[in-house]
Amino acid sequence: DAGITQSPRHKVTETGTPVTLRCHQTENHRYMYWYRQDPGHGLRLIHYSYGVKDTDKGEVSDGYSVSRSKTEDFLLTLESATSSQTSVYFCAIKHPGRDYEAFFGQGTRLTVV
Amino acid sequence: DAKTTQPNSMESNEEEPVHLPCNHSTISGTDYIHWYRQLPSQGPEYVIHGLTSNVNNRMASLAIAEDRKSSTLILHRATLRDAAVYYCILRGSNYKLTFGKGTLLTVNP
Repeated sequence: DAGITQSPRHKVTETGTPVTLRCHQTENHRYMYWYRQDPGHGLRLIHYSYGVKDTDKGEVSDGYSVSRSKTEDFLLTLESATSSQTSVYFCAIKHPGRDYEAFFGQGTRLTVV
Repeated sequence: DAKTTQPNSMESNEEEPVHLPCNHSTISGTDYIHWYRQLPSQGPEYVIHGLTSNVNNRMASLAIAEDRKSSTLILHRATLRDAAVYYCILRGSNYKLTFGKGTLLTVNP
């Protein structure tokens, strides 16, 4: 399986604090994605990247920023966390061996209190 | 991104075939039809994809209507491990996936 690791897996933080989630891949792949999933909903794209320093917004990017300074790491930052950002966050890459397939991480459960 | 419509839920019995429908009437000529599924507490996983022709793999079959405005994911013999939310997705540019709410499949023993 493709090597993709999300950290942390669980986090509780207070409203107004900054939070950074990390997605690390060992596949040297260009495309990486951040999604969020809320109860009863499918995944919604936050930001994506198609290479180092090349990122773009998805459908729910407000309140989030991303950085990609190395191929293997894609960071998602909540500058000032709000309760509406309580969610499960999934990182994905294009599968290294199968170009048509996205491979997802195990998710990070973030709770903002 | 083009939209898909799926039933909210479906139920099946173990070892019986399951046909999961998806409507995508606004599909463009270059959109691929992808299916993913999400087991409880896991990230989505790829199931199958196609463009125009029917497709088979070890997990499932995908039947695509001639006008491409609908498709059906077929699980030939449902098992308890197939209980999941199934998403029908039209893959857009930059390989972005736009998820709907999917179909929750319940498999009864």
